[in-house]
Amino acid sequence: GQNIDQPTEMTATEGAIVQINCTYQTSGFNGLFWYQQHAGEAPTFLSYNVLDGLEEKGRFSSFLSRSKGYSYLLLKELQMKDSASYLCAVMDSNYQLIWGAGTKLIIKP
Amino acid sequence: TAGITQAPTSQILAAGRSMTLRCTQDMRHNAMYWYRQDLGLGLRLIHYSNTAGTTGKGEVPDGYSVSRANTDDFPLTLASAVPSQTSVYFCASSDGTVNTEAFFGQGTRLTVV
Repeated sequence: GQNIDQPTEMTATEGAIVQINCTYQTSGFNGLFWYQQHAGEAPTFLSYNVLDGLEEKGRFSSFLSRSKGYSYLLLKELQMKDSASYLCAVMDSNYQLIWGAGTKLIIKP
Repeated sequence: TAGITQAPTSQILAAGRSMTLRCTQDMRHNAMYWYRQDLGLGLRLIHYSNTAGTTGKGEVPDGYSVSRANTDDFPLTLASAVPSQTSVYFCASSDGTVNTEAFFGQGTRLTVV
């Protein structure tokens, strides 16, 4: 079966750095997405990786290793507004997105 | 700017009743999707449409039906609601190419009692 694993919850301190991991086992791979979802709101797109390596976008970076079935989202200089759930999703061989359950990130002052 | 709009925002529905959740996008996207989101589970695909006039079943299609008469609209119908269909429903759209993001509506919170 297809599976996406992420930690359920993480806590970090304002101004610090946090890494949210995602491991996947899917039938085929056509890219990995990270989305941010604030409580009670819709998911919004953060990043897309299809090749191995690091993609940097401001305070957020996303890394992919296809051979290991592994990705992480790195958030730097954490702000209170970064408190949200972070969703990892993989596009499989049928071009369908398979979603992880999300990681709830709690930022403390 | 509208993007993708869902209606209603929330609804309480008696079991056995039918209901249609509406979804409209103004981005001329080819692909549209309906997901449900339940606590502790990832978004699960109910139905999708790659282009107007075509639809397909996702991971959890039972009890739901969709239609795609035109590019902009993608309604989701529950023919006879059951309590297990209590969930938050998200409609999404994308231009259908592999590496592009999906845009989500604000969600419909449905409670079946």
